[in-house]
Amino acid sequence: GAVVSQHPSRVICKSGTSVKIECRSLDFQATTMFWYRQFPKQSLMLMATSNEGSKATYEQGVEKDKFLINHASLTLSTLTVTSAHPEDSSFYICSASRMEGAGLLTDTQYFGPGTRLTVL
Amino acid sequence: AQSVAQPEDQVNVAEGNPLTVKCTYSVSGNPYLFWYVQYPNRGLQFLLKYITGDNLVKGSYGFEAEFNKSQTSFHLKKPSALVSDSALYFCAVRSSDSNYQLIWGAGTKLIIKP
Repeated sequence: GAVVSQHPSRVICKSGTSVKIECRSLDFQATTMFWYRQFPKQSLMLMATSNEGSKATYEQGVEKDKFLINHASLTLSTLTVTSAHPEDSSFYICSASRMEGAGLLTDTQYFGPGTRLTVL
Repeated sequence: AQSVAQPEDQVNVAEGNPLTVKCTYSVSGNPYLFWYVQYPNRGLQFLLKYITGDNLVKGSYGFEAEFNKSQTSFHLKKPSALVSDSALYFCAVRSSDSNYQLIWGAGTKLIIKP
């Protein structure tokens, strides 16, 4: 159990276009989902925390108008990169927090396989 | 400030030998510790976590980790390494003072040589 899917796995787009990435928890409900960005040979950088039915909480330095996050259901969150530019090229990873009964501190985050975005 | 340190960028181990990937942490409240593994161009896979209780935690793929409160460490171990264990390993910590967010280490690349 605890499978998270992400689609697409790879996308190449032209500068100025928008790209939507979907993150789904397949076999559990996720009240909270997270979006990360990972640069080559670096650790994960948290972009935003997404709670079902409410606005996402963005980390400092992340433009909320550029990275639109929607968490419409307990199993789906989407990240839309608007007006993408080459500097937005990166590996985007989502995760979903599975409620395991002992509270938010102890819940495990399960990760999607990631989306490689290349903006030409 | 909350932080996680993985002091080794890379660890090289011969197949069949025991392996250790180090992790130390600094948090204000009680720590909740996690290990994840990442294979090339893939997302992260959960290995194990320490919440409370027995300091030795067993996880997936034969990995285990030992929580040491006095040394603020949570080193990942495996008695006998496999070539397929070669990957990037991340340690993370969460506490009540981290606003429930995971604080990530920089990652350690583990290379198992045949």
